[in-house]
Amino acid sequence: GDSVTQTEGQVALSEEDFLTIHCNYSASGYPTLFWYVQYPGEGPQLLFRASRDKEKGSSRGFEATYDKGTTSFHLRKASVQESDSAVYYCALSARNNNNAPRFGAGTKLSVKP
Amino acid sequence: VTLLEQNPRWRLVPRGQAVNLRCILKNSQYPWMSWYQQDLQKQLQWLFTLRSPGDKEVKSLPGADYLATRVTDTELRLQVANMSQGRTLYCTCSADQLGGGYAEQFFGPGTRLTVL
Repeated sequence: GDSVTQTEGQVALSEEDFLTIHCNYSASGYPTLFWYVQYPGEGPQLLFRASRDKEKGSSRGFEATYDKGTTSFHLRKASVQESDSAVYYCALSARNNNNAPRFGAGTKLSVKP
Repeated sequence: VTLLEQNPRWRLVPRGQAVNLRCILKNSQYPWMSWYQQDLQKQLQWLFTLRSPGDKEVKSLPGADYLATRVTDTELRLQVANMSQGRTLYCTCSADQLGGGYAEQFFGPGTRLTVL
């Protein structure tokens, strides 16, 4: 079945550090890939998505590029802020009515001022 | 703009007792409504997607049994029974069916359940 793997469970950075959160997926065909962010006390919300190979999604300084060759969709940000502290989820949605949306385990980002 | 309203927002559940949750859709452009659970380790898991009034589904997962009902075009319910570990239940809505290219899920604020 389809699956999403996030390597980092927790990431601790200081403001202005560079961020990378790794996401690899396993799915047939061309799934749509997503990054969601969840702030404390709230439900997850979409950061951005990408639907085809080499497509770049971006929002609020975060970006990720759909790479079918390496089955990856790594999240990056050049300079993090304390307000970016949250849990980040990589997810996929496949073009198959039997496949439920799959979420990665989440990565908790903590940014110190 | 809030797309989804969930109630209650939190509940203490005596062990062995069932609890009923409601979700109200505020925008009919996103008629595909779903339930997700988030466990204490923050793992999100899809439970159900129900589109039409009268649709019902049941599911048993480690730690809880679920019965979901699409009551009307704007109301989705979830009964949680035999819960042994706390969790948060999120209602979501989407513009198209699972598997659609733009199947973004809009999440509600969640209902946090704690086992007594």
